[in-house]
Amino acid sequence: DADVTQTPRNRITKTGKRIMLECSQTKGHDRMYWYRQDPGLGLRLIYYSFDVKDINKGEISDGYSVSRQAQAKFSLSLESAIPNQTALYFCATSDPSGSPDNEQFFGPGTRLTVL
Amino acid sequence: AQSVAQPEDQVNVAEGNPLTVKCTYSVSGNPYLFWYVQYPNRGLQFLLKYITGDNLVKGSYGFEAEFNKSQTSFHLKKPSALVSDSALYFCAVRDPNTGRRALTFGSGTRLQVQP
Repeated sequence: DADVTQTPRNRITKTGKRIMLECSQTKGHDRMYWYRQDPGLGLRLIYYSFDVKDINKGEISDGYSVSRQAQAKFSLSLESAIPNQTALYFCATSDPSGSPDNEQFFGPGTRLTVL
Repeated sequence: AQSVAQPEDQVNVAEGNPLTVKCTYSVSGNPYLFWYVQYPNRGLQFLLKYITGDNLVKGSYGFEAEFNKSQTSFHLKKPSALVSDSALYFCAVRDPNTGRRALTFGSGTRLQVQP
């Protein structure tokens, strides 16, 4: 979905390096999410933010941190990357108005390889 | 705790035949249930959801899903499969009674529709 963009789209890095993945959205949504996708494991939630001042850990937050710089921007950082963080990372947004469980809109993903 | 299971890693069906992708869930109360689809090299796209009301939910691209509380299932169905339906399908659940504010996704089922 072009309304949710992720940079970079692909990244290869080495163990121990600091990496930042960025997500921007033009949908005007308050809620943003970071997931990682691994084969056979589906999507697992890393962090989520329901507004700029509300950041929450997901099920696999260890080794990751996030920053919600503005309503439209939500960054994911790996302070010291390790090989088992090699995965496909997705950012998503949702609109809390109306139904509390409105659909999530996903970015195109960032493929991260840690050597 | 909320969880969701997709018992089949892959489903194969011939074009024109009906398809079913299975999903079962576990929550303490009444669930909110979702189906998403992922096409190659893309983020997930929302297909449909069940929050309350009619157990048969209709969604995008001719898909529908039936909520069955006694069997704790939410299987995705389509009367006549298309080759273009070939993709990875994810079921997701949220238990609104737990205070958990994010979805839990299943591991995904790859649908392959043969011409």
